[in-house]
Amino acid sequence: DIVMTQSPHSLAVSLGERATINCKSSQNVLFKSNNKNYLTWFQQKPGQPPKLLISWASTRESGVPDRFSGSGSGTDFTLTISSLRAEDVAVYYCQQSYSSPFTFGGGTRVEIK
Amino acid sequence: EVQLVESGGGLVQPGGSLRLSCAASGFTFSSYWMNWVRQAPGKGLVWVSHLDTGGSSTTYVDSVKGRFTISRDNANNTLYLQMNSLRAEDTAVYYCVRGAPQGFDIWGQGTMVSVSA
Repeated sequence: DIVMTQSPHSLAVSLGERATINCKSSQNVLFKSNNKNYLTWFQQKPGQPPKLLISWASTRESGVPDRFSGSGSGTDFTLTISSLRAEDVAVYYCQQSYSSPFTFGGGTRVEIK
Repeated sequence: EVQLVESGGGLVQPGGSLRLSCAASGFTFSSYWMNWVRQAPGKGLVWVSHLDTGGSSTTYVDSVKGRFTISRDNANNTLYLQMNSLRAEDTAVYYCVRGAPQGFDIWGQGTMVSVSA
């Protein structure tokens, strides 16, 4: 099984500042045949289901603000919130869909400092 | 509107059974792989199972193999999860999730399963 490790577990950032979340997979999640990383980022707010933010490691879903960006390839990935807003308080998860079981990272809680 | 609505959760004793349902609407259900993902209270997300478009190819996380069965009724746009031999550690919110090429793109609101004596 591919193990997904997120860091940090929690993060307190001032409004308007940058938040950076890391995700490392125990195996490569880049499919060479299509050059796509099967790595997804989700945002989960309290009492709500997760919301898909970024797919293929770096492609924002429609309607996701451009302050959210994803980067990385292979085994190391990053989600960046360039200028934190109050509505971004949530838990963020990465997930690999390269191979079953489609494992999630443990989550990173983002709060306002 | 694209929507997934789960039902069937509740309180069950250890060793008991439940069947979860997920009603899909607003998209061509038969064209998508479907998944179940669970989240224990205060914990992270755990992928449980997925099923191909025709209902013939299934996979499960090790902790539920032999106890849970995923299935679908494409004529009625419904996904199921039959859960047998339930354990306390199966207590969680269970989400029905659409599997698009880019990832798990549509999530239901979830249904709570509590396993307790």
